[in-house]
Amino acid sequence: DQQVKQNSPSLSVQEGRISILNCDYTNSMFDYFLWYKKYPAEGPTFLISISSIKDKNEDGRFTVFLNKSAKHLSLHIVPSQPGDSAVYFCAGTYMEYGNKLVFGAGTILRVKS
Amino acid sequence: DVKVTQSSRYLVKRTGEKVFLECVQDMDHENMFWYRQDPGLGLRLIYFSYDVKMKEKGDIPEGYSVSREKKERFSLILESASTNQTSMYLCASSYNRDRFPYEQYFGPGTRLTVT
Repeated sequence: DQQVKQNSPSLSVQEGRISILNCDYTNSMFDYFLWYKKYPAEGPTFLISISSIKDKNEDGRFTVFLNKSAKHLSLHIVPSQPGDSAVYFCAGTYMEYGNKLVFGAGTILRVKS
Repeated sequence: DVKVTQSSRYLVKRTGEKVFLECVQDMDHENMFWYRQDPGLGLRLIYFSYDVKMKEKGDIPEGYSVSREKKERFSLILESASTNQTSMYLCASSYNRDRFPYEQYFGPGTRLTVT
């Protein structure tokens, strides 16, 4: 049972434009979500997170939106840069799940210059 | 800066060999995790540990065991390596959920090939 789904395996965007990466979840108990970025041959690095008490969190060029009723979150990158080309993983968790995260399958973002 | 290190970046082993993957973190994190990453499957949790000598099975523990004798070190053991264990192995660590920040910090990964 895939609790966190990233339905787009890949996304290609022109440099300077907006990248929108989507993530859906099925477990209504999730109360905290995270996005990670991963370059080839490196470990994932934390990008941005959002608590379920918020519907938006911003950090520089990165903004995460949470729509609890739709069980959907999205990561917006504006403007996109070639260095943003990586795999992006969405993850969810909730307090009773302990300290574990449930990851989606990832979306490969390619930013063309 | 949090540092999570893994003993090897690349490893090639033969079927049936016993394989040890080591992970060390320097942030005094309570929790440590082992994942494997395969294309199209994301990161799948193999085992995690929330304290020294404590461990809990993740989603895919079959064929693996772990050891945590010291807080900073978490080892993944493949008792008898098989070709379907060829993968990227990622170690991570985090504080408990009641401490902020509690995101997980990852090591650089070990690309294991079993022939």
